[in-house]
Amino acid sequence: DGGITQSPKYLFRKEGQNVTLSCEQNLNHDAMYWYRQDPGQGLRLIYYSQIVNDFQKGDIAEGYSVSREKKESFPLTVTSAQKNPTAFYLCASSYGQYGNQPQHFGDGTRLSIL
Amino acid sequence: AQSVSQHNHHVILSEAASLELGCNYSYGGTVNLFWYVQYPGQHLQLLLKYFSGDPLVKGIKGFEAEFIKSKFSFNLRKPSVQWSDTAEYFCAVNPTSGNTGKLIFGQGTTLQVKP
Repeated sequence: DGGITQSPKYLFRKEGQNVTLSCEQNLNHDAMYWYRQDPGQGLRLIYYSQIVNDFQKGDIAEGYSVSREKKESFPLTVTSAQKNPTAFYLCASSYGQYGNQPQHFGDGTRLSIL
Repeated sequence: AQSVSQHNHHVILSEAASLELGCNYSYGGTVNLFWYVQYPGQHLQLLLKYFSGDPLVKGIKGFEAEFIKSKFSFNLRKPSVQWSDTAEYFCAVNPTSGNTGKLIFGQGTTLQVKP
């Protein structure tokens, strides 16, 4: 079955450590997105990529980095510069580069600080 | 700044009650509109969408939403809720002028349906 796979499901970060969240999709979607979900704040866009080898900052990109070397993969690195990384992270993808296609979501990664 | 506001943060209903969840957005241009639902333990999934045409759109599981352009609103409705509708509901807006698929989400509404 086609879908979006996020790993790991739970992740713990130590102070000063960078961690990378994986997102893989086999839907042949062009665009991919990373969101952060905090209680009472909905989802906020971190980064998005409309095509391979190109990505754009979202509303809360500080302290995060991404790459898009393959169409199927869009990993997110939470760097030590992100001072409040504890959150639920969701990856999504959509067919086409524009907003007239719904986004499909993964199951998420919950990141906590040790 | 563009924003989406969901008026109800936590709604508690009894089964068979009617549901209306409010959603307003602040953007003057053309938009694509979505409602997503997150059932307990499941991933976020599309409930319904509006791109153009008939402002009353129907989605899965008996949900519908009405786009009122003059009020910048896209309220979600269901005539009779079931216990299985217990979930978190998100309204999302895609401003088309950016030529991207970026979504701006509301804060979410938690719906609890009592059996």
